[in-house]
Amino acid sequence: AQSVSQHNHHVILSEAASLELGCNYSYGGTVNLFWYVQYPGQHLQLLLKYFSGDPLVKGIKGFEAEFIKSKFSFNLRKPSVQWSDTAEYFCAVRGYGGSQGNLIFGKGTKLSVKP
Amino acid sequence: GAGVSQTPSNKVTEKGKYVELRCDPISGHTALYWYRQSLGQGPEFLIYFQGTGAADDSGLPNDRFFAVRPEGSVSTLKIQRTERGDSAVYLCASGPLRAADTQYFGPGTRLTVL
Repeated sequence: AQSVSQHNHHVILSEAASLELGCNYSYGGTVNLFWYVQYPGQHLQLLLKYFSGDPLVKGIKGFEAEFIKSKFSFNLRKPSVQWSDTAEYFCAVRGYGGSQGNLIFGKGTKLSVKP
Repeated sequence: GAGVSQTPSNKVTEKGKYVELRCDPISGHTALYWYRQSLGQGPEFLIYFQGTGAADDSGLPNDRFFAVRPEGSVSTLKIQRTERGDSAVYLCASGPLRAADTQYFGPGTRLTVL
């Protein structure tokens, strides 16, 4: 069965610090990969996605993620975080072969940015 | 344009009662998904509709859960004989056309079973 593992439950950073959130998935076939963000009191929003092509994907608000197929990883990065990045971040994968489009989510990483 | 909407935003019910949760997808989206998010967890898939039909209901935990989408737009998730373990945020998402498209999430319905 497919699964997604997010290594960090809660990350606390100061403004301007660099961010990297880990995400590993288990699925041997073709995958689509996503990062969603949930700001306090808001619904899940798409941050970025990888379907094919360049494994370095750029998303909104200065976020990027790199798909490394050999490591089954899709880590999220941002060079310099802001207080407004405080949110919960979810990595998700959609594999092919049986399922018809549903996403498998990790447990999420809560990011707290101190001003 | 308008996003995915869900009603009610909060629902408190007693153990054993029946509840209905409603989802209005983005206009024109043919794919619709229901997920459930328990505290401290990521969303877990329940059911996927393509048009009016349930294309994949493998995530429904048991036969107390049922969902419909009779006209290919609005969907209702129905839970019979609610249990305390059903307490969670129920999320709906819709997508433009195919299963492979990006999913857009609604704000969710927080269900509390006392």
